[in-house]
Amino acid sequence: RKEVEQDPGPFNVPEGATVAFNCTYSNSASQSFFWYRQDCRKEPKLLMSVYSSGNEDGRFTAQLNRASQYISLLIRDSKLSDSATYLCVVIRGGFKTIFGAGTRLFVKA
Amino acid sequence: SAVISQKPSRDICQRGTSLTIQCQVDSQVTMMFWYRQQPGQSLTLIATANQGSEATYESGFVIDKFPISRPNLTFSTLTVSNMSPEDSSIYLCSVTITGGLFFGSGTQLSVL
Repeated sequence: RKEVEQDPGPFNVPEGATVAFNCTYSNSASQSFFWYRQDCRKEPKLLMSVYSSGNEDGRFTAQLNRASQYISLLIRDSKLSDSATYLCVVIRGGFKTIFGAGTRLFVKA
Repeated sequence: SAVISQKPSRDICQRGTSLTIQCQVDSQVTMMFWYRQQPGQSLTLIATANQGSEATYESGFVIDKFPISRPNLTFSTLTVSNMSPEDSSIYLCSVTITGGLFFGSGTQLSVL
């Protein structure tokens, strides 16, 4: 079992839809949590950090559930430009970074 | 965040040759990381580059194949040695700064 698991998708949604991704992690010592976005053949870029109290940035909302060891990303009012791979990232031990395999999202007109 | 310059952005190489990838950061950082991302896969950490000491390699990666230099707190190189087609991948350098992990733009390597 991988330490960080994501549904690979792909998620195919129409413009304007709301879509949610989940990610589970197995190591309870995990300390920091992030969502990254990666476009095809580009480097991953930080989308947002994830906190237990929830974190919202415009159309994007991230949530951490430590008890159940999962994090989520909600995208509202999807845009064509949201099409990308979304990576769940977990850090433990100060700097040990573990990447999920990514969830592919396709937003269609 | 940080500005991370990585070069070359892409290269096509013959098997048996070596390629050195450079990574320059606009601020001093203690640790720099080198990742590999094979087609359709997620990122795999190759090694952690520390200034003033040898790099720390992850399981499956060795110094003879992926020698790393870290001459100062803003610069690192990764060499892919004696390349084979299996080394075709995207190679990424990254740094950790308050707020997250930030990446260079990557080097897309194709080995013929």
